[in-house]
Amino acid sequence: QLQLQESGPGLVKPSETLSLICTVSGGSISSSTYYWGWIRQPPGKGLEWIGSIYYSGSTYYNPSLNSRVTISVDTSKNLFSLKLSSVTAADTAVYYCARGPLRGYSGYDPTYYFDYWGQGTLVTVSS
Amino acid sequence: DIQMTQSPSSLSASVGDRVTITCQASQDIRSYLSWYQQKPGKAPELLIYDASNLERGVPSRFRGSGSGTDFTFTISSLQPEDIATYFCQQYDNVPLTFGGGTKVEIK
Repeated sequence: QLQLQESGPGLVKPSETLSLICTVSGGSISSSTYYWGWIRQPPGKGLEWIGSIYYSGSTYYNPSLNSRVTISVDTSKNLFSLKLSSVTAADTAVYYCARGPLRGYSGYDPTYYFDYWGQGTLVTVSS
Repeated sequence: DIQMTQSPSSLSASVGDRVTITCQASQDIRSYLSWYQQKPGKAPELLIYDASNLERGVPSRFRGSGSGTDFTFTISSLQPEDIATYFCQQYDNVPLTFGGGTKVEIK
């Protein structure tokens, strides 16, 4: 059974960089048919896709966050990571990692839903 | 960006009732729509993909339909364990976007 687990600091100061890791177990992150994504949910609100990565290292970001987001992958450790720079209180949210089976393309960008999710980790931005 | 409009934002129904939620896309997304269930304090769980395909292990009382811009999610007979918030997601275009959610409660 595939499992994803987020880890990282639960409190980040404004203007600093949020860093999270998603460790994948029960399956290989190097599978050719899946993308690996980050989604966030501010308290009491809806879901926002942050971005995704393929095992080769190709990345796809939400344009609304593009300039602040970096996603990377470490296939040797079966994990992928999220960095979000210059955070503000608006970045306070539960951050989820998830697996996305490829379904189609929007131009050159792959598209997918998310079939396995981590349990989520709350990151609070506060001084 | 494609906007996903879900309605209603909340509903209250009795056990055994048929529950219907709609999701409207701001442009044609073919059948590239999924539905998720999220219980309080938990991660979303995939129920339906490609508008009408039931994910493995999901009870058959959950059903999805539609294509283009208008989609429907139905629970044929509401059970107490179905209390949750339900979200739709389009994956026809990047950025991937979600509906605002529908909170389902027991009357």
